[in-house]
Amino acid sequence: AQSVTQPDIHITVSEGASLELRCNYSYGATPYLFWYVQSPGQGLQLLLKYFSGDTLVQGIKGFEAEFKRSQSSFNLRKPSVHWSDAAEYFCAVISGNTPLVFGKGTRLSVIA
Amino acid sequence: DGGITQSPKYLFRKEGQNVTLSCEQNLNHDAMYWYRQDPGQGLRLIYYSQIVNDFQKGDIAEGYSVSREKKESFPLTVTSAQKNPTAFYLCASTLRLPWTGLGENTIYFGEGSWLTVV
Repeated sequence: AQSVTQPDIHITVSEGASLELRCNYSYGATPYLFWYVQSPGQGLQLLLKYFSGDTLVQGIKGFEAEFKRSQSSFNLRKPSVHWSDAAEYFCAVISGNTPLVFGKGTRLSVIA
Repeated sequence: DGGITQSPKYLFRKEGQNVTLSCEQNLNHDAMYWYRQDPGQGLRLIYYSQIVNDFQKGDIAEGYSVSREKKESFPLTVTSAQKNPTAFYLCASTLRLPWTGLGENTIYFGEGSWLTVV
């Protein structure tokens, strides 16, 4: 079955530290991959997406993600986290005739 | 500007009542979707529609119903059969399914509707 897994439910990092949020997918066809961020009480904001080409994609707010087909992963990274990055992050995949499927999300807390 | 409008943003209903959430888009998109969000569960697909007068069940369709009589509208009814209806509901649309990844096939989301059943 097609699925998206975000192994970490909650991550806490210090402000200024680096961040990596993990995402693994299970799809038979070519996947198109997304990372979204959601602040409390808000809708979704697209951070970045991968469709094809360069496997390292740059997004907004200083985020980047790397697509690794051999590992079925699309991990999100940021070199230096700011307090305003505290939010929930969702990895999502769409492929062929299958609607967008989301992971369960990773909640990021940032401490001083 | 084109986009998706969900209404109402906040809704309170008594247990046992049906409630309908509105989703309207002016993007001329063929495909529309309804998701439900619960803490720790991510967003789960309720129903989706690829074309007018056609729709398919998603992962958690029980207790919900939809209609697609017009291209721009995809209302979701939360029926009294839905055991835990209190949640955040999000509507989305894409130009079409199957997804091609072409530039114009972007995913648009509404701002969401908060439903509280008491």
